[in-house]
Amino acid sequence: EIVLTQSPGTLSLSPGERATLSCRASQRVNSNYLAWYQQKPGQAPRLLIYGASSRATGIPDRFSASGSGTDFTLTISRLEPEDFAVYYCQQYGSTISFGGGTKVEIK
Amino acid sequence: QVQLVQSGAEVMKPGSSVKVSCKASGGTFSRYAITWVRLTPGQGFEWLGGIIPMFGLTNYPVKFHGRVTITADESTGTAYMELNSLKSEDTAVYYCARVPPDYGDTGYFDYWGQGTLVTVSS
Repeated sequence: EIVLTQSPGTLSLSPGERATLSCRASQRVNSNYLAWYQQKPGQAPRLLIYGASSRATGIPDRFSASGSGTDFTLTISRLEPEDFAVYYCQQYGSTISFGGGTKVEIK
Repeated sequence: QVQLVQSGAEVMKPGSSVKVSCKASGGTFSRYAITWVRLTPGQGFEWLGGIIPMFGLTNYPVKFHGRVTITADESTGTAYMELNSLKSEDTAVYYCARVPPDYGDTGYFDYWGQGTLVTVSS
């Protein structure tokens, strides 16, 4: 099973700042089949990114993602108040596994 | 607008079984795989398996093979996940989610149910 390690565990930032989240895989992710989700308390996860860099329908362009192989990054260019949440990466190139999450909190 | 609506919270005894439902609306149920994941404080997200209703094909990870049974009723557009031999460690929020076409039953998840809290306690 591919193990995904997300860092940092917690990111403390102010609105308007840039957030950079990392997701590292223990093995190469086939076809760059990597997704990112946002989850707020009491809600289901929301798909942000699939295929490592493609934004899902309705996702603002301040969210961008990149990476290939074993190293992937999610960037939020300017944090809006509604962006403070937990973010998870997920690979689907070899069965399915998730990272442990990065919490983006207000500084 | 695709919606997945899950059944309500459950409190179960250790050793028992729980069955959670997931009713889909707004899309073509049979064409898309429905998958189940759970979120626990200790383990994070874990994939429990999935089903393609049109073919009745299921896929389970090794960890849950034999404990999880996923089924689907095309006539009602509802998928089910049954977990048996419950332990306290199975206390979690269980989610169903839809996989877009072209990914079989292991893809990314574009629509999610609201989640069902299952508590296992004596």
